[in-house]
Amino acid sequence: EVQLVESGGTLVQPGGSLRLSCVASGFTFSSYEMKWVRQAPGKGLEWVSYISSNDVFTYYADSVKGRFTISRDNRKNSVHLHMNSLRAEDTAMYFCVLDDGGFDIWGQGTMVIVSS
Amino acid sequence: QSALTQEASVSGTVGQKVTLSCIGNSNNIGRYAVGWYQQVSHGPPKTVMFGDSLSSGIPDRFSGSKSGTIASLTISGLQPEDEADYYCSTRDSSLSGWVFGGGTKLTVL
Repeated sequence: EVQLVESGGTLVQPGGSLRLSCVASGFTFSSYEMKWVRQAPGKGLEWVSYISSNDVFTYYADSVKGRFTISRDNRKNSVHLHMNSLRAEDTAMYFCVLDDGGFDIWGQGTMVIVSS
Repeated sequence: QSALTQEASVSGTVGQKVTLSCIGNSNNIGRYAVGWYQQVSHGPPKTVMFGDSLSSGIPDRFSGSKSGTIASLTISGLQPEDEADYYCSTRDSSLSGWVFGGGTKLTVL
């Protein structure tokens, strides 16, 4: 069974940094592209970042470009989101998403709150 | 404002057929297959379908279609458990990324 378990979400001050992690199991992690998608409280879904299976290609939403970095470790079946210069508007549930040719599989999410 | 436009809310009675729409442009829906996601009570989303293919475990009363820059999700024979928020999403060549619709809240009366 495919499982994606996110961690790292917490309360952080504006301007601070955070690293989210997602550990995958139940599939050949190194063969799949991964994404992060977030959802602010009471709002819709917003794509944040993408990383290719071989770590060659990464893409970011304009709202996080230059502040967030996505990475992966195929030996440890994990993908990470490094978040810097956090703003109040980054407050959201962050979901790790396996891109199975469009049939996305979602983790449970980890909550990030940016507030002083 | 979302790149893809969805109805804010749709309602129907049990057994009714309802259609949710997702309007984009030539850079996104006009170019790529569209995914539909169901989210119940702000739990994690679940993929309902991608393109015209159902995701595993999704009942066949769900179907999808696309015409030009408009995608649609149709539920034939609405059931109480279908009440949820539904989001459409696809790639966007002008943004080098993915875009979502604002979501449709489906209420089963």
